[in-house]
Amino acid sequence: EDQVTQSPEALRLQEGESSSLNCSYTVSGLRGLFWYRQDPGKGPEFLFTLYSAGEEKEKERLKATLTKKESFLHITAPKPEDSATYLCAVGGDSNYQLIWGAGTKLIIKP
Amino acid sequence: DVKVTQSSRYLVKRTGEKVFLECVQDMDHENMFWYRQDPGLGLRLIYFSYDVKMKEKGDIPEGYSVSREKKERFSLILESASTNQTSMYLCASSLGQGESPLHFGNGTRLTVT
Repeated sequence: EDQVTQSPEALRLQEGESSSLNCSYTVSGLRGLFWYRQDPGKGPEFLFTLYSAGEEKEKERLKATLTKKESFLHITAPKPEDSATYLCAVGGDSNYQLIWGAGTKLIIKP
Repeated sequence: DVKVTQSSRYLVKRTGEKVFLECVQDMDHENMFWYRQDPGLGLRLIYFSYDVKMKEKGDIPEGYSVSREKKERFSLILESASTNQTSMYLCASSLGQGESPLHFGNGTRLTVT
């Protein structure tokens, strides 16, 4: 069965303290892994798509990486405005629609 | 930028009422989706549509129906609202090709009392 698990559920960091969020997945035939950011009271906002193991993508302080079993969202020297819930979703061959993780709530303290 | 607009940010309805949630997108996207989001759970797909007048069931269609009479508009209907349908409802759209990213509205928080 296709499955996506995100960890930790919540992460509190000091401003400037780098860390990583994890998205572990089980899917037959990965079509794509997606990262989204969701601010309180808003819909998710697209960040990255990764298609194959070894692929990396960067945007400002965020860098997403992909292996055959998991993806990491690395955040370097975060700022308070990076506080949000980060969602991971996976598309596989057996299910046309995306499978979503429950998200990681990231809080960056000034 | 793609804009997906959901007609209501907050709704309070009574058990048994028929509820309409409206969603409009302005970028001529073929695909439209309705999700619900509950704490501790990932987004769950209710219904989706690839084209006008076309609809497909998602993972949790029970108690819901949809309508897509025009390409830009996708409506979610709760035939007889129940308290377990209290949730955040998110509409999204995407291009019809490959792994196009989803563009979401800001959600409708529905409370059924």
